[in-house]
Amino acid sequence: AQTVTQSQPEMSVQEAETVTLSCTYDTSESDYYLFWYKQPPSRQMILVIRQEAYKQQNATENRFSVNFQKAAKSFSLKISDSQLGDAAMYFCAYRRYSNSGYALNFGKGTSLLVTP
Amino acid sequence: NAGVMQNPRHLVRRRGQEARLRCSPMKGHSHVYWYRQLPEEGLKFMVYLQKENIIDESGMPKERFSAEFPKEGPSILRIQQVVRGDSAAYFCASSPQLEGPQYFGPGTRLTVL
Repeated sequence: AQTVTQSQPEMSVQEAETVTLSCTYDTSESDYYLFWYKQPPSRQMILVIRQEAYKQQNATENRFSVNFQKAAKSFSLKISDSQLGDAAMYFCAYRRYSNSGYALNFGKGTSLLVTP
Repeated sequence: NAGVMQNPRHLVRRRGQEARLRCSPMKGHSHVYWYRQLPEEGLKFMVYLQKENIIDESGMPKERFSAEFPKEGPSILRIQQVVRGDSAAYFCASSPQLEGPQYFGPGTRLTVL
């Protein structure tokens, strides 16, 4: 079974600064996807960024980028120029593959606080 | 294109009652996933359905829980004889194809008294 570990229960960043959220995972597969989801107080799950394991280039979406280290099984999220609206729970997720579907395995999350 | 709809947003049940949670996927999406989020936890996969078929229910408790996704209408997650431990947020996600990204609904928060 694939496990996803987020070792930082809480992180804090000042507005306009940069913060990095950590995620490691365990798998024996070579092909998979990794995701970061944001869950604000509204509890809506919002896809932030995704990475295909076969791609060496790190994914980027505006102020959000990842550092994907496949050999180390590490998938960290970097938020640049942090904004107050970035405050939320952030979940790292692994998408396993089986003949029966692509269910997501989530970590326990990191709570990000953004201070003015 | 409307997003994934879930209703109700909040549901209160007494122990022993039944809870029915509904999920309407995005238009054109025929793949539905249900997840449960306990307090202070990440989401846990429960069941994956395609139209009229349960494909993977490996994450769903064997008793009291059932799910369906009929040809017409929303997907339903049914919990019979609820217990306090069923209190959680239940999310559904839909996808347009097997390998497509999953888009989440706003969730249903179930409280069992």
